[in-house]
Amino acid sequence: GIQVEQSPPDLILQEGANSTLRCNFSDSVNNLQWFHQNPWGQLINLFYIPSGTKQNGRLSATTVATERYSLLYISSSQTTDSGVYFCAVEGTTDSWGKFQFGAGTQVVVTP
Amino acid sequence: DAGITQSPRYKITETGRQVTLMCHQTWSHSYMFWYRQDLGHGLRLIYYSAAADITDKGEVPDGYVVSRSKTENFPLTLESATRSQTSVYFCASSVGGTRTARDTQYFGPGTRLTVL
Repeated sequence: GIQVEQSPPDLILQEGANSTLRCNFSDSVNNLQWFHQNPWGQLINLFYIPSGTKQNGRLSATTVATERYSLLYISSSQTTDSGVYFCAVEGTTDSWGKFQFGAGTQVVVTP
Repeated sequence: DAGITQSPRYKITETGRQVTLMCHQTWSHSYMFWYRQDLGHGLRLIYYSAAADITDKGEVPDGYVVSRSKTENFPLTLESATRSQTSVYFCASSVGGTRTARDTQYFGPGTRLTVL
């Protein structure tokens, strides 16, 4: 199946800083999503982005499908951005619905 | 509008017992998923379902059974629980199969299961 690697594994930011999280995948994808897991465990979808660029407030994401990577940008970080960010993909050679998650990037934003 | 719910939220059981985790969604989504989350492994897909009566194995299906007789429910059963099945279990749903943003997955709050 498709392999997903996220980097960096951990990130410590001061409030107000910008950061970039990366997701590399080993094969073509039908579906790529970014999720945020808050410190209470809830998983929230941030972007559905198998290709192209999207923005939502201070967050934006870009997927370059031909080069098999996706980037999540956090600008002007706030303490509420703390948590784990996951990338999840569904490969074109896999059955629809067979998602593979990356190991995540743990983000800590300090005041 | 409840969205997607899981029950119980916390469960302690003993090795060898049967346990069923419930998942219910109110959106009439076609696709439903079960994941487990363990330290060091991220989220791993156990089973998924494209519609009522259609289920398929994910990455780690051994020791689990699912059924989906109704679109809104997707129970996960551990037939004989083992300590290695101690984990946090998440259910998710999506419209699925559209190759649009409607394929976004929405997650339930999770069930923390401890097998003694």
